[in-house]
Amino acid sequence: GAVVSQHPSWVICKSGTSVKIECRSLDFQATTMFWYRQFPKQSLMLMATSNEGSKATYEQGVEKDKFLINHASLTLSTLTVTSAHPEDSSFYICSAQIQGGNSPLHFGNGTRLTVT
Amino acid sequence: QKEVEQNSGPLSVPEGAIASLNCTYSDRGSQSFFWYRQYSGKSPELIMSIYSNGDKEDGRFTAQLNKASQYVSLLIRDSQPSDSATYLCAVKSGLSGGYNKLIFGAGTRLAVHP
Repeated sequence: GAVVSQHPSWVICKSGTSVKIECRSLDFQATTMFWYRQFPKQSLMLMATSNEGSKATYEQGVEKDKFLINHASLTLSTLTVTSAHPEDSSFYICSAQIQGGNSPLHFGNGTRLTVT
Repeated sequence: QKEVEQNSGPLSVPEGAIASLNCTYSDRGSQSFFWYRQYSGKSPELIMSIYSNGDKEDGRFTAQLNKASQYVSLLIRDSQPSDSATYLCAVKSGLSGGYNKLIFGAGTRLAVHP
């Protein structure tokens, strides 16, 4: 069964508005979650690492003021796309490890964002 | 040079054949290697993980790792049409400051035809 739950699965919003995506770990605590973005026919690109109780670590080229990440509890991380534009339309996927170290990532079902 | 490289395909194989998917990586310090399957419009699902040189088998899937050659592969035996998907190779980076980052290849699209 799913170990990471992501909501919503899809969202359509108007340009200039903000969208919040939730990622929950089910039945385990995740001190670290990872947010990826995937454009059509491209690979997954890591956007940021979400750390419970501290600031997120953003990858080079990802605007921290545009993609706000909050990891307020051990089971919930949120990504808010602020002032969304059509070029932000993408597939956003969160992930977490059940165990730390070298254990694999488990992914949520993803959120398809379309900005009109 | 990309950190994780895969042939984009498509790799077309007949039903029942063996599909061979390959991946090379650049960071010699990498310790963890994963294969994910991604159906169109869906998120990736874990197929195999491998951490030491050699072969690891799980059902119809065999992962092979050669750290000296910086090469990891996935074999799918008795391929089925339901195996048609994009297969992503992922490597956990050993780079300084990126200790826990999982780097993905662009994926190889596999098509299994009846």
